[in-house]
Amino acid sequence: GAGVSQSPRYKVAKRGQDVALRCDPISGHVSLFWYQQALGQGPEFLTYFQNEAQLDKSGLPSDRFFAERPEGSVSTLKIQRTQQEDSAVYLCASSPYVWGQGQPQHFGDGTRLSIL
Amino acid sequence: AQTVTQSQPEMSVQEAETVTLSCTYDTSESDYYLFWYKQPPSRQMILVIRQEAYKQQNATENRFSVNFQKAAKSFSLKISDSQLGDAAMYFCAYRSARYSGGGADGLTFGKGTHLIIQP
Repeated sequence: GAGVSQSPRYKVAKRGQDVALRCDPISGHVSLFWYQQALGQGPEFLTYFQNEAQLDKSGLPSDRFFAERPEGSVSTLKIQRTQQEDSAVYLCASSPYVWGQGQPQHFGDGTRLSIL
Repeated sequence: AQTVTQSQPEMSVQEAETVTLSCTYDTSESDYYLFWYKQPPSRQMILVIRQEAYKQQNATENRFSVNFQKAAKSFSLKISDSQLGDAAMYFCAYRSARYSGGGADGLTFGKGTHLIIQP
């Protein structure tokens, strides 16, 4: 596609439910990033993929958060047993290069997750 | 760990005027990249301008320019001839040039400045 696509755009879940957020990066992009943006804050890094390899998951806040990119293209961020503090916008970004070259990331529109 | 500070939660400027958004950062590294991103209500982060720390020349992109002061660890964004479409949240971001492969490879963002354009 022309840009990074994320779905759903909005997700409402009850506390304790599992959710899955999808990111479809720009075709051919090697690097993929997930960020969490709480209300009124800047995005915070969650995890990074280079193709299908998850090279950095240091930003995942707990073991309830899990991300995968099995074929090196589409990625899914899964949150198990959701809690109210998980409410945020989840942004996905991709880059055509192996990270470390300072190239800018291309962001999607994000998924706004609300936990009731 | 690196930190990015944007001390202005909100700024307002008249259309066609010039406005400067401030950003400071803290790092012990000598080589890194700095970015300004714009986030309109649609939520998509749009790159405004990028600066490489080893370059002394300030980056410019049409009406957008930066004042990069490496010693002071300051990276302000100047928007000239402000337009209604410039209204958005603006985020300053930092990225190390060191490729760790296993460390925190993402961007470090500030909390943002909400820019209001008065017609």
